[in-house]
Amino acid sequence: QSALTQPPSASGSPGQSVTISCTGTSSDVGGYNYVSWYQQHPGKVPKLMIYEVSKRPSGVPDRFSGSKSGNTASLTVSGLQAEDEADYYCSSYAGSNNPFVFGTGTKVTVL
Amino acid sequence: QITLKESGPTLVKPTQTLTLTCSLSGFSLSTSGVGVGWIRQPPGKALEWLALIYWDDDRRYSPSQKSRLTITKDTSKNQVVLTMTTMDPVDTAAYYCAHSRYYDGGYSFDIWGQGTMVTVSS
Repeated sequence: QSALTQPPSASGSPGQSVTISCTGTSSDVGGYNYVSWYQQHPGKVPKLMIYEVSKRPSGVPDRFSGSKSGNTASLTVSGLQAEDEADYYCSSYAGSNNPFVFGTGTKVTVL
Repeated sequence: QITLKESGPTLVKPTQTLTLTCSLSGFSLSTSGVGVGWIRQPPGKALEWLALIYWDDDRRYSPSQKSRLTITKDTSKNQVVLTMTTMDPVDTAAYYCAHSRYYDGGYSFDIWGQGTMVTVSS
């Protein structure tokens, strides 16, 4: 099972929006509505930002939103803030024998 | 408040077996719907899921690492243990344990431990 494909980097100015893609196959992203997104600041623990494609855990700002089309999921961060600068990882269910496949990670820079 | 804390050796030699313990607080692995997984992250690299165990003792392993891994739980101690055999320098990474909700978690990890760094070197 290969890792999901994410762009290495993305950037935006404060107040703008940035969208990160996560591309898989019909066996993972495209086959299930179980895509999650994690934020990780340097030296810190990953934090769950989105689960089940578009649901936000309690406490996550509504500036973070998720969507999916076909084999590609996306995370959009609206109204970019300095604290949004971090690495972001997607994850997808890929069947009962491989329930968690992570993406390659995207570094978001706030210009 | 749910917390998880990893413990184990910081340095292991090549070919040795690694044993990591995840101590759980604020929840029990005997509660229906609860799962605990292990994820690792080599320095500067991406996250990699390794293993998961559910309240009912159902166990799942990464296909690429399955032959080397064993995950077990001790509900009396509220701990989850991961063993990984035949360690190699490429296994140098931060190892995290994390909480997962089977029924309404959408196959995600909502709470993570602080992680423990393991270096494989002779």
